[in-house]
Amino acid sequence: KQEVTQIPAALSVPEGENLVLNCSFTDSAIYNLQWFRQDPGKGLTSLLLIQSSQREQTSGRLNASLDKSSGRSTLYIAASQPGDSATYLCALQETSGSRLTFGEGTQLTVNP
Amino acid sequence: SQTIHQWPATLVQPVGSPLSLECTVEGTSNPNLYWYRQAAGRGLQLLFYSVGIGQISSEVPQNLSASRPQDRQFILSSKKLLLSDSGFYLCAWRHRGRRETQYFGPGTRLLVL
Repeated sequence: KQEVTQIPAALSVPEGENLVLNCSFTDSAIYNLQWFRQDPGKGLTSLLLIQSSQREQTSGRLNASLDKSSGRSTLYIAASQPGDSATYLCALQETSGSRLTFGEGTQLTVNP
Repeated sequence: SQTIHQWPATLVQPVGSPLSLECTVEGTSNPNLYWYRQAAGRGLQLLFYSVGIGQISSEVPQNLSASRPQDRQFILSSKKLLLSDSGFYLCAWRHRGRRETQYFGPGTRLLVL
């Protein structure tokens, strides 16, 4: 059974700092990995999707990497802003179906 | 463009009462549809998914059921709510046949008292 762990559970940083969120998974047989953002009381917004054959994806100040062999993914946020404050969720899609397995998320607070 | 709606946004119900949450998708056809629950301090748990009208797969045994009476409508129900049914319920859709991202609705917050 796939297990997804996100560390840290919560993170507070000053504005402008670069930061890294971590996601680890136990089964490397994945089809893709996604990073989502969730604002309090809201639904999820997809940020980046990395196919299993890819190593990284970039969108603006966000960069996500994938290392299947070690079961790890990182989300790098450059020059953080208060508007980046949210919970960030990592999710894996299995090769054999469309199930998404989520981590419990990292709650990020960027202080002005 | 596609949009996904959930209704109601917030719901407070007594234990033992029935439940009906609705999810509708616009701007696409034949989507795969999903119901997730997010309990406090826990990650998202997939409850049900559907690949077509009347086709429901249950992921975990529980007090809830799902139905898909129309192509773009997905309903989550319960005959008698439990305290443990409290949580944030999210509906999502994905293009059928494509293993790409799922698109999530705004969610329904359910509090069972």
